[in-house]
Amino acid sequence: KQEVTQIPAALSVPEGENLVLNCSFTDSAIYNLQWFRQDPGKGLTSLLLIQSSQREQTSGRLNASLDKSSGRSTLYIAASQPGDSATYLCAVRPVFTGGGNKLTFGTGTQLKVEL
Amino acid sequence: DVKVTQSSRYLVKRTGEKVFLECVQDMDHENMFWYRQDPGLGLRLIYFSYDVKMKEKGDIPEGYSVSREKKERFSLILESASTNQTSMYLCASSFEGLATTEQYFGPGTRLTVT
Repeated sequence: KQEVTQIPAALSVPEGENLVLNCSFTDSAIYNLQWFRQDPGKGLTSLLLIQSSQREQTSGRLNASLDKSSGRSTLYIAASQPGDSATYLCAVRPVFTGGGNKLTFGTGTQLKVEL
Repeated sequence: DVKVTQSSRYLVKRTGEKVFLECVQDMDHENMFWYRQDPGLGLRLIYFSYDVKMKEKGDIPEGYSVSREKKERFSLILESASTNQTSMYLCASSFEGLATTEQYFGPGTRLTVT
């Protein structure tokens, strides 16, 4: 059964710092990996999707990489800002779950960017 | 822009009540999902639907049922609410596909059962 782990569970950094969030998964048979952001009490916002054939995706100050063979993904946030404070979740779409685009989620990293 | 809406942001119900949570998406997505999110447990899939009137159990379907009579609408039903169903409920939708399909989420419903 696919398991997704995100370490650390919480992270606090000063404004302006570049930072890396980690995601690991146990089964490399995936179609894609998706990174989400969740603000307190809100739904999830999709940030980036990396297909299994890709190595990285970029959107603005965000860069996500995927190393499928080692079961790892990183989300790099450049020049962090207080507005980046949120919980970041990664999710994989395993190959062997049939149709329906079902995802397996990590429990997230809660990021706080301080002034 | 994809829009997924949920009928209520906050809901308070009593034990034993029948509860309906509704979700609507405007992107003609085939797939719709209901999750619950609890501290320390992450998101867990309750049910999903891959077509009108089609449904499949997720990881924690006990105590829940669903209905999808129209493509854009997916309802989660708690037949007899219990206190252990107090949680954040999130609806999502996506196209069918393999590598390129993203899931889009609604704003969530915080349900409290007293």
